[in-house]
Amino acid sequence: NAGVTQTPKFQVLKTGQSMTLQCAQDMNHNSMYWYRQDPGMGLRLIYYSASEGTTDKGEVPNGYNVSRLNKREFSLRLESAAPSQTSVYFCASSEGDGFSTDTQYFGPGTRLTVL
Amino acid sequence: AQSVTQLGSHVSVSEGALVLLRCNYSSSVPPYLFWYVQYPNQGLQLLLKYTSAATLVKGINGFEAEFKKSETSFHLTKPSAHMSDAAEYFCAVRGPGGSYIPTFGRGTSLIVHP
Repeated sequence: NAGVTQTPKFQVLKTGQSMTLQCAQDMNHNSMYWYRQDPGMGLRLIYYSASEGTTDKGEVPNGYNVSRLNKREFSLRLESAAPSQTSVYFCASSEGDGFSTDTQYFGPGTRLTVL
Repeated sequence: AQSVTQLGSHVSVSEGALVLLRCNYSSSVPPYLFWYVQYPNQGLQLLLKYTSAATLVKGINGFEAEFKKSETSFHLTKPSAHMSDAAEYFCAVRGPGGSYIPTFGRGTSLIVHP
């Protein structure tokens, strides 16, 4: 049982390049999330998916797109990377599709640097 | 909109001393509250959560937190700090009455001195 996995662990991009961050969970969870973590800012929600086939914007969605490929996988795409997107990105999942008491389970993160 | 405030971006204690990390929430309806811990270069993991059952919640690694509605607080404590407790701690709030999507505080870095 691997929990939440993310690839890659590290990535360096040049401004304007594109890339996709991959996330998968093996806990049969309904909800999945993408966060970015910046120093002193805590975690900010980029997008989330309450169930397979649905996605919604979070607090900071500009410059990102997501795909809920199936129940297990939730990818985050940067179409044209900018230095402001330099951050650590975390994927998370939780069991329900709208239950506020659910615990979130986090992946190990992807450290992205945009030059 | 619900929000959460963590007082102090850094808290420094000596090994064996009391740990107190503060979290206050802003919500018209008492929310569900969570504390997560992040060790260096890792993702977050749940320490404990309040879901309107007992107001004193015990978590992993000897941590506990008390929900106080009158003070809109959910402070995290541990009687005796260990070196291994050095980490970043995040308080988070979710519904009811508001969004089920969690809102995280900015985090408190716990530094433990030998």
